[in-house]
Amino acid sequence: NAGVMQNPRHLVRRRGQEARLRCSPVKGHSHVYWYRQLPEEGLKFMVYLQKENIIDESGMPKERFSAEFPKEGPSILRIQQVVRGDSAAYFCASSLRQGGNNEQFFGPGTRLTVL
Amino acid sequence: AQSVTQLDSHVSVSEGTPVLLRCNYSSSYSPSLFWYVQHPNKGLQLLLKYTSAATLVKGINGFEAEFKKSETSFHLTKPSAHMSDAAEYFCVVSDKERAGKSTFGDGTTLTVKP
Repeated sequence: NAGVMQNPRHLVRRRGQEARLRCSPVKGHSHVYWYRQLPEEGLKFMVYLQKENIIDESGMPKERFSAEFPKEGPSILRIQQVVRGDSAAYFCASSLRQGGNNEQFFGPGTRLTVL
Repeated sequence: AQSVTQLDSHVSVSEGTPVLLRCNYSSSYSPSLFWYVQHPNKGLQLLLKYTSAATLVKGINGFEAEFKKSETSFHLTKPSAHMSDAAEYFCVVSDKERAGKSTFGDGTTLTVKP
């Protein structure tokens, strides 16, 4: 009964490189959410995807960040040309159904460090 | 629009004493409310949720929370703290009818002293 899987757990990148974060939702869940947690802060919503569609990306920076959730395979959060300010923990969550009253199951997070 | 305010960034209690973590929310819609716990370097675990059934919600590990619409509050309580309760706690609001983002509070760090 695997929960949400994220990999890698830790990722180190130099400024200007690309970071790819992967998230496999709970089996059977088709709704995926990405959040960013900066040090000493709560989680901030980035993007909500449902298989092959971006439903809400209001929390995602307009430049350098993109997300996808293909028909097959994990959801990917991609950060191009990383900067030091991108250093954070990135959490993925999934839910079975649409709707704000449905529990989101969280993965363990990917901790990105930009040197 | 929705927002969450966790009134205390740090709470310190002695083992065996009650815990109170305060949360106020605002929402333009009918809200669902959640409390999550995060242990160091771990993901988030759901403690409990309110989705319009009973206003007093019981969760795991002895935690409970009461939804008070008139006060727009959803405070988390536990009668007796345990050392293993030391963690970060997040209050979360989302719109029940709409899909998508949840809004997190900034978190409350709970310290439990022996």
